Amino acid sequence: DIQMTQSPSTLSASVGDRVTITCRASQSISSWLAWYQQKPGKAPKLLIYKASSLESGVPSRFSGSGSGTEFTLTISSLQPDDFATYYCQQYNTLIRAFGQGTKVEIK
Amino acid sequence: EVQLVQSGAEVKKPGESLKISCKGSGYSFSNYWIGWVRQMTGKGLEWMGIIYPGDSDTRYSPSFQGQVTISVDKSISTAYLQWSSLKASDTAVYYCASAQSMAAAVGYWGQGTLVTVSS
Repeated sequence: DIQMTQSPSTLSASVGDRVTITCRASQSISSWLAWYQQKPGKAPKLLIYKASSLESGVPSRFSGSGSGTEFTLTISSLQPDDFATYYCQQYNTLIRAFGQGTKVEIK
Repeated sequence: EVQLVQSGAEVKKPGESLKISCKGSGYSFSNYWIGWVRQMTGKGLEWMGIIYPGDSDTRYSPSFQGQVTISVDKSISTAYLQWSSLKASDTAVYYCASAQSMAAAVGYWGQGTLVTVSS
């Protein structure tokens, strides 16, 4: 099965900062990678699909890149609403493993 | 509008059985894959398994194989997650989530069902 590894696990940043989160797959998943944002007590929300495609309604400050085994999620200018936990997920196979999550905290 | 509505919170004792549900609406239920995700308190998301309502093709993550059963009743647009004998370690929030195809990200989520297992 494909394993997903995210880093860092926690990130402290200020409003306006550029933030980058990395996700690595244990084997190639082409571009079959999604990024989700989750806030406490809420279901995850899809931000990015197919590694770099922005889901409708998601602010353009979010972007994704990568292919194969290395992927990144970038928030170009962190906003107060962006403090949350972010997860990557591969969907190259039906066993769609998640990364461990990255909590973005206020510095 | 696509909606997934899950059944309410449950409190059970160890050894009891449980079946929680996820009802889809606003789309062709039989043609979207439905997955289940576990989130233990303060922890990350864990993919449990997935089912295709059209033919009930089901796949389980190795960690959950044999521990739970995923099923569907397409006549009422509802997917299920069930346990035959709950353990305290099954205490978690469980989400159902839907993807339009095998090549699509999960775009729709239920609101989550809290399952508490305690003696």
